Amino acid sequence: QKEVEQDPGPLSVPEGAIVSLNCTYSNSAFQYFMWYRQYSRKGPELLMYTYSSGNKEDGRFTAQVDKSSKYISLFIRDSQPSDSATYLCAMSGTGGYNKLIFGAGTRLAVHP
Amino acid sequence: GAGVSQSPRYKVTKRGQDVALRCDPISGHVSLYWYRQALGQGPEFLTYFNYEAQQDKSGLPNDRFSAERPEGSISTLTIQRTEQRDSAMYRCASSFLAGGADTQYFGPGTRLTVL
Repeated sequence: QKEVEQDPGPLSVPEGAIVSLNCTYSNSAFQYFMWYRQYSRKGPELLMYTYSSGNKEDGRFTAQVDKSSKYISLFIRDSQPSDSATYLCAMSGTGGYNKLIFGAGTRLAVHP
Repeated sequence: GAGVSQSPRYKVTKRGQDVALRCDPISGHVSLYWYRQALGQGPEFLTYFNYEAQQDKSGLPNDRFSAERPEGSISTLTIQRTEQRDSAMYRCASSFLAGGADTQYFGPGTRLTVL
């Protein structure tokens, strides 16, 4: 079993829809939770970053972490065609460094 | 400013050859990471440096893989006696801070194909 599980999709939604992306994990030592966005043929770029449990909102994006369930989510409101990309969850534990463990990524397509 | 750069962008080699992949981090970034990303998968951690010191090499698959960062800036990932299973995208990332959970900025990657 992988430490981080993520449904690879693909997920196809109409423009304006609310998108929900999720990851589950097995290592209770994870403390830092991130969402990266990766456009085709590009490197991942950090979208959202949350420490421990709770919610964080940034514009159309909301990240949620539920450590009791070992479950994290990313919500995209009013999705746009420019949001079409692969979304990767990533997490790291304590220990003073950023060894990131990534999920497989979910491919999202937002069609006009 | 300039982001993380990697060279070459594409590398095709024959099985058994050695390859060296280069990473030039963002200027001033203390930490540098190497990941490997297979098609349809997320990046997989290989190794990590703070300045010139290799802090963690637990993700290197075997002793054919090595990395160095002799002056605390540019890093080279070397794969000796390449095998077909080494074919993947190799990505480098850098972050400003040493330790802690700091944003990692990824480069465009080097696509390695071993024939």
